[in-house]
Amino acid sequence: ETGVTQTPRHLVMGMTNKKSLKCEQHLGHNAMYWYKQSAKKPLELMFVYNFKEQTENNSVPSRFSPECPNSSHLFLHLHTLQPEDSALYLCASSQGAGGAYGYTFGSGTRLTVV
Amino acid sequence: GESVGLHLPTLSVQEGDNSIINCAYSNSASDYFIWYKQESGKGPQFIIDIRSNMDKRQGQRVTVLLNKTVKHLSLQIAATQPGDSAVYFCAENPGFQKLVFGTGTRLLVSP
Repeated sequence: ETGVTQTPRHLVMGMTNKKSLKCEQHLGHNAMYWYKQSAKKPLELMFVYNFKEQTENNSVPSRFSPECPNSSHLFLHLHTLQPEDSALYLCASSQGAGGAYGYTFGSGTRLTVV
Repeated sequence: GESVGLHLPTLSVQEGDNSIINCAYSNSASDYFIWYKQESGKGPQFIIDIRSNMDKRQGQRVTVLLNKTVKHLSLQIAATQPGDSAVYFCAENPGFQKLVFGTGTRLLVSP
């Protein structure tokens, strides 16, 4: 365990479903991130939260809706997804909002949209 | 623009060999670099880091070398083991901004 826990580990959903991904960090970090990782693609930053305030939305479609109720918890709400949204979704946290101290990643949620 | 690129997408080595994974970065303002290891089905895990005021840092069986003149970063793994098989990412911090990740190199270790 890295201190960042993601649930569920695997998720299969239909295009009309609504589901949520959860991330929790036990490291006392202030910033949290959502990344998308597809086959043969680099990590794609989706959202950044610092002290539970969203500081970056990297042109993510509105079918992805993040929520950060506090500095330790981060959610990604999913609705009306497309098959191309199938990917590994990674949550990360860091001491500050920049990269000066590196990120700690969770194990990810493997999402399959059918 | 900012970019972090890897020269080789796949590196195959024999168990016991030394492995070298390379990374080129483009932002001369980057002051912090990290290597991550990602095993199948897992998230990236921190291996070793280095700040720009250093050119070499050693860990357990791993060494990171930084050449700021040519903007090059490398990860050396000594006596590579099957458990080292994974995808390795480099990441750079271009100065108080979010980390920029490379595309990754897959390391395959044959027994």
